[in-house]
Amino acid sequence: ETGVTQSPTHLIKTRGQQVTLRCSSQSGHNTVSWYQQALGQGPQFIFQYYREEENGRGNFPPRFSGLQFPNYSSELNVNALELDDSALYLCASSFWDGETQYFGPGTRLLVL
Amino acid sequence: DQQVKQNSPSLSVQEGRISILNCDYTNSMFDYFLWYKKYPAEGPTFLISISSIKDKNEDGRFTVFLNKSAKHLSLHIVPSQPGDSAVYFCAAIGQNGNEKLTFGTGTRLTIIP
Repeated sequence: ETGVTQSPTHLIKTRGQQVTLRCSSQSGHNTVSWYQQALGQGPQFIFQYYREEENGRGNFPPRFSGLQFPNYSSELNVNALELDDSALYLCASSFWDGETQYFGPGTRLLVL
Repeated sequence: DQQVKQNSPSLSVQEGRISILNCDYTNSMFDYFLWYKKYPAEGPTFLISISSIKDKNEDGRFTVFLNKSAKHLSLHIVPSQPGDSAVYFCAAIGQNGNEKLTFGTGTRLTIIP
């Protein structure tokens, strides 16, 4: 059984640029959720995808967008990067009717 | 508005003793609770969970207790081992199940050999 994988592991961007982060869900899981973890904080929910559609969104602006593909993998896109977007971005996968979400190792984004 | 609170940012426990990590929540719609463990440079790892219809769930050295009337849960680790040193996050989920996890801010547990 393959766990959740994310790429890249680290990324440095400058303010105003755009970034795409990728996630492959654990085999058998059809739901993907994205979280942002700032330093010293718990993960904050960005959005969730199921059947290639957004299913729930946290308090994040529209410049945070996502996609889910037929193989259940997912992308998180952030446009017009701001310094405060510097954080660890976590992807989690689960079954649609399951409460437990399993996390990938995260992508650490630094915006300069 | 912090709906899940972990009021102790850090905790140090002697190896072999019991570690007790606490978590409080304010949203009465939460009905499923999870504990995750996180090492530096890794994603959170699921440890143990509990449904609101139970007051205790046990898995090896880990036991989670839920007091719904007090909106409080705790994670007990006994005996504590050096490999337990990590940041522990409490998380809650609403009644629909397939929704967002709401996390606390974490407690850094250090096990002293």
